[in-house]
Amino acid sequence: SQLAEENLWALSVHEGESVTVNCSYKTSITALQWYRQKSGEGPAQLILIRSNEREKRNGRLRATLDTSSQSSSLSITATRCEDTAVYFCATDQGGRALIFGTGTTVSVSP
Amino acid sequence: EAAVTQSPRNKVAVTGGKVTLSCNQTNNHNNMYWYRQDTGHGLRLIHYSYGAGSTEKGDIPDGYKASRPSQENFSLILELATPSQTSVYFCASGAAGGDTEVFFGKGTRLTVV
Repeated sequence: SQLAEENLWALSVHEGESVTVNCSYKTSITALQWYRQKSGEGPAQLILIRSNEREKRNGRLRATLDTSSQSSSLSITATRCEDTAVYFCATDQGGRALIFGTGTTVSVSP
Repeated sequence: EAAVTQSPRNKVAVTGGKVTLSCNQTNNHNNMYWYRQDTGHGLRLIHYSYGAGSTEKGDIPDGYKASRPSQENFSLILELATPSQTSVYFCASGAAGGDTEVFFGKGTRLTVV
């Protein structure tokens, strides 16, 4: 079973719009990470948010974490075509290893 | 810039044959990981290592072995390849601790025929 799951398979938006990807997880965590994977590449980290943090920002990206509901969201504002990618959330299994969700494909069209 | 290099980038193997996927990192990271990526399953953890000489089973270790002969190198071995192991494999490295960034290689596309 997945220890971290994004809630939707795919989202489509137009350039300039905002998009939010949601994630739920099943165990206690020390941190939750968001990764982006562009076609033909390996995933790359976007944001790391620790369990004692509620929000983290990185430019146009904003991640939130709600440990009571075991959920997180990643919002991208003013989207660009180059934001088209698969977005994963990932959590540590009590520090053992990083476990990834199944990913949400975000498509940004002109 | 963290660097993780995988080889080969593409591989076609015969059912029942032995396949070795190699990974090298120049980040001096203690932890290294092997994941496979299939449509609908995301990235699934096969094996990981905390340092030279150590290997640990991930969530889907059956049919795979791993070897960590040095800090820099981590291999994934398929002793008897099967078509169900056709996938894209990613190696990654990270500092100790599950709450640190993990750096990925570009992936190896393996096709077992």
